[in-house]
Amino acid sequence: DTGVSQDPRHKITKRGQNVTFRCDPISEHNRLYWYRQTLGQGPEFLTYFQNEAQLEKSRLLSDRFSAERPKGSFSTLEIQRTEQGDSAMYLCASRRGQAKETQYFGPGTRLLVL
Amino acid sequence: AQTVTQSQPEMSVQEAETVTLSCTYDTSESDYYLFWYKQPPSRQMILVIRQEAYKQQNATENRFSVNFQKAAKSFSLKISDSQLGDAAMYFCACSRNSGNTPLVFGKGTRLSVIA
Repeated sequence: DTGVSQDPRHKITKRGQNVTFRCDPISEHNRLYWYRQTLGQGPEFLTYFQNEAQLEKSRLLSDRFSAERPKGSFSTLEIQRTEQGDSAMYLCASRRGQAKETQYFGPGTRLLVL
Repeated sequence: AQTVTQSQPEMSVQEAETVTLSCTYDTSESDYYLFWYKQPPSRQMILVIRQEAYKQQNATENRFSVNFQKAAKSFSLKISDSQLGDAAMYFCACSRNSGNTPLVFGKGTRLSVIA
């Protein structure tokens, strides 16, 4: 396993701009999760996929946020019209679908909205 | 809904000593999993230890062990023989069912290890 990778690792943008993040899960992991972590807090769930199907979305995921996993492999998280409150670390995790499997986390994308 | 509470924002321990990090949780599920994750500075989160709620025996992983008190909804982490590399943020987390569902995290405890 090469691990979960995320790109970019850092992103600085101006308020109102759109940003897109990518997550590449561990191969053969059919479940993929997005979390958001702000300073001094634990990660908060945003959304997750089983293969290409988006199974659950948090109420934190406003209509400015959209996530896709078109072929059941990598996933993208887009934030439209960014706001300063969107500044956070965005974490991706993946796992196999079987019971008792562990979620493996990527290094995260740190977003700063100016 | 599930909630996880970590009441110790910061803890410190002398190298080679033992430290216990506290965690309480609330859930209406009968089947759930509990986890401790470690997040070193500027590094990614890794799993330290996990506990299935239906198991009465406390999980152990080398120097790491848990004290799982189901009735009290308490899930503390004990680190024995602390090492400098143990310095990190530690997050307690809970998930429903078999662990397929998203994790609910506490706010974390920052552990410092003093040489």
